Amino acid sequence: GAVVSQHPSWVICKSGTSVKIECRSLDFQATTMFWYRQFPKQSLMLMATSNEGSKATYEQGVEKDKFLINHASLTLSTLTVTSAHPEDSSFYICSARGRRYEQYFGPGTRLTVT
Amino acid sequence: KQEVTQIPAALSVPEGENLVLNCSFTDSAIYNLQWFRQDPGKGLTSLLLIQSSQREQTSGRLNASLDKSSGRSTLYIAASQPGDSATYLCAVDQVVGGYQKVTFGTGTKLQVIP
Repeated sequence: GAVVSQHPSWVICKSGTSVKIECRSLDFQATTMFWYRQFPKQSLMLMATSNEGSKATYEQGVEKDKFLINHASLTLSTLTVTSAHPEDSSFYICSARGRRYEQYFGPGTRLTVT
Repeated sequence: KQEVTQIPAALSVPEGENLVLNCSFTDSAIYNLQWFRQDPGKGLTSLLLIQSSQREQTSGRLNASLDKSSGRSTLYIAASQPGDSATYLCAVDQVVGGYQKVTFGTGTKLQVIP
């Protein structure tokens, strides 16, 4: 099946710094990728939809200036958490859309902001 | 706004038992529905995808049904095993305002007791 990777899988950063998370579709091209975050013991919440070559569409309540999304190619989308704070600590998961609109998920990135 | 609910929130069964997980959604205008499992601290594994025109899908011991008109889906697990212990999520896929949007359910945490 289709494979989606995320890098890094785990990152600790200091408050005020920025962190970039990469999401790659390894064996297929994805015109659309999605970014989710998951707080402990809660379900996933969609943050934004990333379309190759255009601006991301953010969900209500998600700060676009804080969570910068770039979808520069058909196999790569990046999420940059700018000026991270402890409340940004979370599990971030990306997914890529297949031809039948199915979702292929990355393994997730655990971000801890100290 | 689409709302996806999963009942029960948690379930504990002895090994070998058959079980049913429920997923309900408020807006029946969906493109497809997927069932996932999530192990603690890990990403998502896709189990079954049901297109809106289909009524069920089967994979091994898993069978998922979809009744779009009533806004319901069930995931049937036959002969449960301890390795089935995980959180199970359903997610519905829609096109909203020209954009694809996926809404996750609240999840059912399953524990299969040896």
